[in-house]
Amino acid sequence: QAVVTQEPSLTVSPGGTVTLTCGSSSGPVTSGHFPYWFQQKPGQAPRTLIYDTNNRHSWTPARFSGSLLGGKAALTLSGAQPEDEADYYCLLSYSGAGVFGGGTKVTVL
Amino acid sequence: EVQLLESGGGLVQPGESLRLSCAGSEFTFSSYAITWVRQAPGKGLEWVSTISGSGDTIYYEDSVKGRFTISRDNSKNTVSLQMNSLRAEDTAIYYCAKPRRLGAVTSVDYWGQGTLVTVSP
Repeated sequence: QAVVTQEPSLTVSPGGTVTLTCGSSSGPVTSGHFPYWFQQKPGQAPRTLIYDTNNRHSWTPARFSGSLLGGKAALTLSGAQPEDEADYYCLLSYSGAGVFGGGTKVTVL
Repeated sequence: EVQLLESGGGLVQPGESLRLSCAGSEFTFSSYAITWVRQAPGKGLEWVSTISGSGDTIYYEDSVKGRFTISRDNSKNTVSLQMNSLRAEDTAIYYCAKPRRLGAVTSVDYWGQGTLVTVSP
């Protein structure tokens, strides 16, 4: 089964921009992996931010955007807010099941 | 609004069994796969098991194969996860989740609040 990799931690200044990435051990990430991004705050269930590479859910703030970048899926947060401090997970689809990345802890400081 | 509600978690000893349930509402339950995702304390998310809307496609993560059984009763809008021979490493919050897309079995968009399973002597 493929291994999905993410940066363990990133720090962004309030109002700043940060990009998280999601790679696959099986090769470049493509739209065919239907990349998803989730946000999870302490003590809460995950919340889906982005589906199918770059589509926001109705509840997803516009400052979050998804893309493919250099063979990886990417989540860009533009204009970071204190409430964006959280863990972020990506999910890639493979035949049979989805595989989560290990998560990125984003600190807004 | 899509609702998913897990139940059945608790404290059990190693080797014992537990049955989790996921009740869905505000969507056509039989049309969507349901997936169980777990999160061990302080760790990341792990895809555990998926059952398609009709129940004819089932997936298990390797570490639970032969010990966990997923099933669904579409007349009651519920999915169950029967967990046998539980181990300490099965300790986690178990979430049930569903995709936004009909027929999708490898994605999840809507999540329940989770139920805690603790396996300890």
